[in-house]
Amino acid sequence: KAGVTQTPRYLIKTRGQQVTLSCSPISGHRSVSWYQQTPGQGLQFLFEYFSETQRNKGNFPGRFSGRQFSNSRSEMNVSTLELGDSALYLCASSSGVVAGSTDTQYFGPGTRLTVL
Amino acid sequence: GESVGLHLPTLSVQEGDNSIINCAYSNSASDYFIWYKQESGKGPQFIIDIRSNMDKRQGQRVTVLLNKTVKHLSLQIAATQPGDSAVYFCAEGMLSVWGAEGNYQLIWGAGTKLIIKP
Repeated sequence: KAGVTQTPRYLIKTRGQQVTLSCSPISGHRSVSWYQQTPGQGLQFLFEYFSETQRNKGNFPGRFSGRQFSNSRSEMNVSTLELGDSALYLCASSSGVVAGSTDTQYFGPGTRLTVL
Repeated sequence: GESVGLHLPTLSVQEGDNSIINCAYSNSASDYFIWYKQESGKGPQFIIDIRSNMDKRQGQRVTVLLNKTVKHLSLQIAATQPGDSAVYFCAEGMLSVWGAEGNYQLIWGAGTKLIIKP
């Protein structure tokens, strides 16, 4: 079974621009979560989508947004980029149906965003 | 508020020795915990998880211990190998209800870098 894929793998933007990152989950997975990872930090949760609906949201400004399509592929968008947005953006997919049981997340390789 | 933290940011271990990576959490309502390994240039990879109704769980060369009394979690790696070099993250899961289905929103620690000395 193919893993989680993210595109592009590397991206360089300038301040003020906007960017769209893409994530294709493992086939059959309906949940996609997005994380920001910066040097020396752990993963910070951005949001989670399940069946095209945002189901959970972290503490990030409104410049960070996302969406999920009917095929479970997801995109996240960052508008008006700031230098501090430079990070590795990871997406993780899971079946999304927990109902009292654990639901392992599988991560993609990430998109390295550099804001100049 | 909730937090998950790691005691040591960097851990150096001799190849062949056992490694112990520690993690503290603050939310007693958490009902499961996960360890992930992240190698350079890759996304985190699931290692092992444990439910709050257990205090120990073993995998292949790895053991996770949960002490709910002191809100402490540890990952033990037996006979550490060069391939174990990575950053290890613990994450805390809390069940939250969203609509008709529950889902876990994970809170992640900052990570511990494991260095293997030859």
